[in-house]
Amino acid sequence: AQSVTQLGSHVSVSEGALVLLRCNYSSSVPPYLFWYVQYPNQGLQLLLKYTSAATLVKGINGFEAEFKKSETSFHLTKPSAHMSDAAEYFCAVNVNQGGKLIFGQGTELSVKP
Amino acid sequence: EAGVAQSPRYKIIEKRQSVAFWCNPISGHATLYWYQQILGQGPKLLIQFQNNGVVDDSQLPKDRFSAERLKGVDSTLKIQPAKLEDSAVYLCASSFLAGATGGTQYFGPGTRLTVL
Repeated sequence: AQSVTQLGSHVSVSEGALVLLRCNYSSSVPPYLFWYVQYPNQGLQLLLKYTSAATLVKGINGFEAEFKKSETSFHLTKPSAHMSDAAEYFCAVNVNQGGKLIFGQGTELSVKP
Repeated sequence: EAGVAQSPRYKIIEKRQSVAFWCNPISGHATLYWYQQILGQGPKLLIQFQNNGVVDDSQLPKDRFSAERLKGVDSTLKIQPAKLEDSAVYLCASSFLAGATGGTQYFGPGTRLTVL
């Protein structure tokens, strides 16, 4: 069965520092992988997705993620954190094309001035 | 392009009462999803519609939850009777077509339900 594990329920960085949010997946078939961001009292917004093309995926707001099959990972990074990046981040795997998303438990990112 | 619309945004009810949530997906999106997000957890799929047919409702507590999408456009999710553990945010999402590469889903703002 597919699953997603996000390491660290809370990550705190200083403004301007590197952001690294970790995601590992389990899937018996080639996965589609997603990162979503959720700001307080809002729905989820797609940051980026991996759909078996390039392994390094660039998304909105300067975020990117690299698909590493050997490590079953899809970590999210951003070179320099902004205060506006403070939010909850969810990694998700697509069970099949157009099918349901299996989400990790989320990582709350705090950015200190 | 208008996004996914949901109403109400907030609802407070007492246990054993009933409640209904409404969702209008992005125009032209054939697939509609309802997710439940309990505080501190990731969203969990309750039900998936393809047009007005149910694709997946394996995680829907059918003794108390029901959902419909009669004309293949907007959808209603109902809980009757509500339990304390139903307190959560209910998210609606839509995608253009099941089977589209990557199946990107677009989410509405959610309805926050509090059951007292």
